[in-house]
Amino acid sequence: SYELTQPPSVSVSPGQTARIPCSGDVLAKNFACWYQQKTGQPPRLMIYRDNERPSGIPERFSGSSSGTTVTLTISGVQPEDEADYYCQSVDSDNSYGFGAGTKVTVL
Amino acid sequence: VQLVESGGGVVQPGRSLRVSCAASGFIFFEYAMQWVRQAPGKGLEWVAVISDDGSNRYYADSIKGRFTISRDNSKNTVYLQMNTLRIEDTALYYCARYSSDNGDFEYWGQGTLVTV
Repeated sequence: SYELTQPPSVSVSPGQTARIPCSGDVLAKNFACWYQQKTGQPPRLMIYRDNERPSGIPERFSGSSSGTTVTLTISGVQPEDEADYYCQSVDSDNSYGFGAGTKVTVL
Repeated sequence: VQLVESGGGVVQPGRSLRVSCAASGFIFFEYAMQWVRQAPGKGLEWVAVISDDGSNRYYADSIKGRFTISRDNSKNTVYLQMNTLRIEDTALYYCARYSSDNGDFEYWGQGTLVTV
């Protein structure tokens, strides 16, 4: 098993940029994904392979990677972006892990 | 793509329960499938994965030896047999389709609630 570390919360004003880091040793050799979860809903895939966006995901969501840290960036935050965000990766022993989640609050 | 979980409910500690996930809208036997759970007010926890043909299965340490993942490709269904349930197993159990190419959980069901 392994750990992925995220900040518990991030606050941002509408139109500003939110950055959510996720760190873990496994990220140096494996891709990460990001999920958005709104209250009462299942998670939704936002980013895969560190920086790829599935179809239908707004362009303001982007991902980046450097060493053992990946970052989800939300540019021009909208009120509807208020949600919990989770990073996820997989290790070589086929163990899958999620970060503890970051609550994004739009002020 | 549609994933519909069922079988959740209230069960006493030490008892067993099996939850199911019926899949549609894609070629089921071409994809690995996963179970992920979320305790009330908590984050996501990976539970188990099964390969496309069912030959490989991997489990989280927290449930290893108590839970078994299986699938029936003729019924487009994946199962999670949960034995010796504990209070801490109380959670919403999601099934998800896994993309081996990208390492992500592409599609998720709405979940089924298990209360121990």
